[in-house]
Parts: sequence; C-alpha cells; structure tokens
Amino acid sequence: SQQGEEDPQALSIQEGENATMNCSYKTSINNLQWYRQNSGRGLVHLILIRSNEREKHSGRLRVTLDTSKKSSSLLITASRAADTASYFCATGANSKLTFGKGITLSVRP
Amino acid sequence: EPEVTQTPSHQVTQMGQEVILRCVPISNHLYFYWYRQILGQKVEFLVSFYNNEISEKSEIFDDQFSVERPDGSNFTLKIRSTKLEDSAMYFCACRQGGASYEQYFGPGTRLTVT
Repeated sequence: SQQGEEDPQALSIQEGENATMNCSYKTSINNLQWYRQNSGRGLVHLILIRSNEREKHSGRLRVTLDTSKKSSSLLITASRAADTASYFCATGANSKLTFGKGITLSVRP
Repeated sequence: EPEVTQTPSHQVTQMGQEVILRCVPISNHLYFYWYRQILGQKVEFLVSFYNNEISEKSEIFDDQFSVERPDGSNFTLKIRSTKLEDSAMYFCACRQGGASYEQYFGPGTRLTVT
C-alpha cells in the first residue's frame, strides 16, 4: 500500500533554526502531501507536491520529492515556537490518504 | 475561510451503544472522508464517500459502521454497537474534487467508549 513513513520521529530545535523532516513511501504516487497537527486538534493541510514536481515552496515551507528514491523532505525555515506540532506526510489519490506515524517537532523559544 | 465542523467535540458512551458522529463539510466539496486516530497512533482511513455512495472503505469499516449524507450538508458516521477499541479521535475530511487533491479536516470528535 502507499504509505508514508517519516523520520526522525522527534525533533527538537531552537527558535530561528531550520527543521528538516523526511518521509519515505513504498509505491508509486501521483502526489504527496504534508499535514500539521497541533496537540489534540485536527490536521491542517500544508503543502502538496505532485509526482512530476521536484520542489515546491510555500512561505517558510519547502518540500522536495524524489520519486526515484520514493522520498520527500519538508523544510521549515526560521522556525518559530508556534511551529511546535506533529507533522505527517500522506500519500494517496482520489479515495484516501495514507498517513505515516508523524514527526513531533518541538521549537524551543 | 470555509471550514469543516464536527459535533460533538467529545462523546462518551457505554460499550454496545450506538453513536452518531456529525460533520458539516465545506459546501462546494464533493468528496467526503472519515478517518480515525487512536491515541498515540497514526491517522487511519475509514471510508470515502462520493456521489451519495461509498467509494472505498478500509478493513476497519465493518458492518458496525455506516455513513450517510442525509440532507446535502451533513455527513454522519454511525457506529451501531460500540466496542472499547472504537475509542479514538474521529476526523471528517472533504475534498473539492477535480484536480484538487488537498483534503480539509475537521477538528475531530473524541469518542470514549467505557
């Protein structure tokens, strides 16, 4: 099944530093998405990258996709304490998203 | 900005009871989903719904589960006879359709089965 698996599982950085999170998946995809979840809340869509794209930017977010390695990375630049959350990659198409276990990011003020 | 709403935010029920979780998706979206997240675990797909019928369901979505879009705005998930292992956060999501693959999630309903 299409399945995103992220690493590291947990990341702790100082405010202002960059955070890089990685995701690997197993099967062919047509897009890969990153979501954020604050503790006890719903998921918020961050960014989508299509299989024919290699890099995409949205504000302080930069996502890359390497379909030959079946991997993606999410970079958050100039992190803020408010970026503290869990981050998930998800693969899927029309019917469903398949999520990884997520990365817990802690940004220390 | 349009958002997905879910009610109730927290539901406590006894084992064997029926529960109905409600969602109001974004109004012009065509695809609807339920996911669940057991505490500390990953978000799992339950079911997708399009054009008034189920388009895909997971192994979790057995005969105890059903979904309905009764009035063109609400989207409900019913669990007929709850089990302890149904305790989880349940998220409703929707997607506009066409070439738009982003899904928009509600805040979730925390279901506690005692």
